[in-house]
Amino acid sequence: AQKITQTQPGMFVQEKEAVTLDCTYDTSDQSYGLFWYKQPSSGEMIFLIYQGSYDEQNATEGRYSLNFQKARKSANLVISASQLGDSAMYFCAMRDRAGNQFYFGTGTSLTVIP
Amino acid sequence: ETGVTQTPRHLVMGMTNKKSLKCEQHLGHNAMYWYKQSAKKPLELMFVYSLEERVENNSVPSRFSPECPNSSHLFLHLHTLQPEDSALYLCASSQDRDSQETQYFGPGTRLLVL
Repeated sequence: AQKITQTQPGMFVQEKEAVTLDCTYDTSDQSYGLFWYKQPSSGEMIFLIYQGSYDEQNATEGRYSLNFQKARKSANLVISASQLGDSAMYFCAMRDRAGNQFYFGTGTSLTVIP
Repeated sequence: ETGVTQTPRHLVMGMTNKKSLKCEQHLGHNAMYWYKQSAKKPLELMFVYSLEERVENNSVPSRFSPECPNSSHLFLHLHTLQPEDSALYLCASSQDRDSQETQYFGPGTRLLVL
C-alpha cells in the first residue's frame, strides 16, 4: 500500500507568491517523522524541513513551513515568497518508528514563473 | 569536503560488466543507505547499514551487492545488470536510525545499462 501520496504532479507559481504542495501519508505507527526534500535538476536531494508526529506546532524553516494536520494525516509544504531558484522537484517522505524504512512520494514538480 | 559524496557521477555499463559505486560521508553519521530513483516512480530504499552492519535489505536482486567497510564508506557492487536497472542511485546518511533523524543525500550516480 502506498505510504506517501502527492497528488500534484506539477505546479506553477508566480514569483514572490506563496504555494502549497500537498502530501498525505498512511501509517499505523504513533511515532514517525515527516520530511520534505527538494531535488533540483542536478539530482541531489536537499533536506528542507522536518515534522515529528508528536510535535504540536507546525515546523518552520525560513520560507518553508509545514502544515501538519495529524488527524487528516496530511503534511503540506508551504513555500512563501517563491523565488526562481525554487523551481525543482519536491518530495514528501515519512520515516517509520523503527527508523529502518523511509517512504517517499512520487514528487511534485514546481515551476516558478517570473 | 561536502557532506556526502558519490563517485562516479555518471556510469554507462554493459550487461556483462562489473562496476562499483562509491559513497563517502564526512558527517560522522552512523547509518548509511542506498536508494534507487527511477523515472516516474517513488524513491526506493535498497539497503540500510547501521554501524557497518546491514539492517535492511528491501528485496533487492542479488546482482546488487552492498559493502560497508566502515561507517564513512558505502559501496554498491554491480554485476550482470539489466537495462531496467538504469536509474539514479542515491546514497544517504543519518546520525542514527531513528524516526526523527533526517537523511542527508549525495549527488547520486546516474547509471545507464546497455
